[in-house]
Amino acid sequence: EADIYQTPRYLVIGTGKKITLECSQTMGHDKMYWYQQDPGMELHLIHYSYGVNSTEKGDLSSESTVSRIRTEHFPLTLESARPSHTSQYLCASSEYLWTENTEAFFGQGTRLTVV
Amino acid sequence: GNSVTQMEGPVTLSEEAFLTINCTYTATGYPSLFWYVQYPGEGLQLLLKATKADDKGSNKGFEATYRKETTSFHLEKGSVQVSDSAVYFCAQYSNYQLIWGAGTKLIIKP
Repeated sequence: EADIYQTPRYLVIGTGKKITLECSQTMGHDKMYWYQQDPGMELHLIHYSYGVNSTEKGDLSSESTVSRIRTEHFPLTLESARPSHTSQYLCASSEYLWTENTEAFFGQGTRLTVV
Repeated sequence: GNSVTQMEGPVTLSEEAFLTINCTYTATGYPSLFWYVQYPGEGLQLLLKATKADDKGSNKGFEATYRKETTSFHLEKGSVQVSDSAVYFCAQYSNYQLIWGAGTKLIIKP
């Protein structure tokens, strides 16, 4: 069983609010990722991190920001939420950056609704 | 560029039916290939993988064979159960990242 946790599981918030989605893993993995999953289920990489103090933007442009101050923690922040941010956000981690043998471990996701 | 294409869902089957979910890829070279599964309300988890041509990955009764001639990695199961209802993602490792298919929702009716 994967030891990666996301909170909250569900969040409904008003437009303009600042929110932080939490992600923590206890596996000591250096690599962590945030994906946005749209209603059609497709996954889009929005942020990733090689390790502490490393953050990179993914393939999909996002107005969110991330930080990596501790190995186990990789929070995602939206400074001003908009309805277009409504989506499911999945956090993942892996021991190595993608290699042929890398397995990624995923949290259960946060379903965000901005009204 | 490199990509993964999966058959569109939802796929609806009766219990004990035979399952095939098609997955094809485009890539330079021979990428490693993966199937991940997302059960309702859960995150994704690795189902099986194959790292070279003609490899067969298997887990929980599911199988997929890496076919370089047809650039395919189709997922199969001989007899599905209601508990197999989930979304299945095909993916390839390429250029230091995982490239995902769009996902195929599988619905198994008792």
